[in-house]
Amino acid sequence: KNQVEQSPQSLIILEGKNCTLQCNYTVSPFSNLRWYKQDTGRGPVSLTIMTFSENTKSNGRYTATLDADTKQSSLHITASQLSDSASYICVVSARYGGSQGNLIFGKGTKLSVKP
Amino acid sequence: DARVTQTPRHKVTEMGQEVTMRCQPILGHNTVFWYRQTMMQGLELLAYFRNRAPLDDSGMPKDRFSAEMPDATLATLKIQPSEPRDSAVYFCASGLGLGQSNQPQHFGDGTRLSIL
Repeated sequence: KNQVEQSPQSLIILEGKNCTLQCNYTVSPFSNLRWYKQDTGRGPVSLTIMTFSENTKSNGRYTATLDADTKQSSLHITASQLSDSASYICVVSARYGGSQGNLIFGKGTKLSVKP
Repeated sequence: DARVTQTPRHKVTEMGQEVTMRCQPILGHNTVFWYRQTMMQGLELLAYFRNRAPLDDSGMPKDRFSAEMPDATLATLKIQPSEPRDSAVYFCASGLGLGQSNQPQHFGDGTRLSIL
């Protein structure tokens, strides 16, 4: 069964610190992996999309990594800011398969950055 | 920046009433998705369209939910009759292609629905 598991469920860090969020998946055949940021009361916003051949992609202070062999991804946030407080959702796309629009969503990690 | 627009942003109504949620996708996008988000389940896909044609609505309770795209600028999600368990945030997203297209989905800010 195609699944996406994220850890931790929630995380509290101090402003200025770094953190890493994890995503493990069992989706096959794999097409791409996405990270979204969702602020409270808003819709998710795309941070990165990585295909099989990419093992790292950055978007400002956000760096995503992908290990397609172990089916793991991480999202690293550098020098956190208060505005990084949000839920981070990992989404994996299957190469084909009719249901779900080929997108399998994790339940997200809720990050709180404290001053 | 182009955005997906959803209306209304909030809706409170009584059980049994009809609810209609609307979405204006980004101009030029050929796929439209409807999602429901709850604390327990996270984001769940309800239905999606490509070039206005429904491709999959297996995530929706068929007896009460319906999704349509009367034209390229409007997608609707209706619940009739509504039930308290339908209380959730409903998101519309649009994009170019399906999941394997490597294109991001652009989400609206959702309709927060409360059924009393």
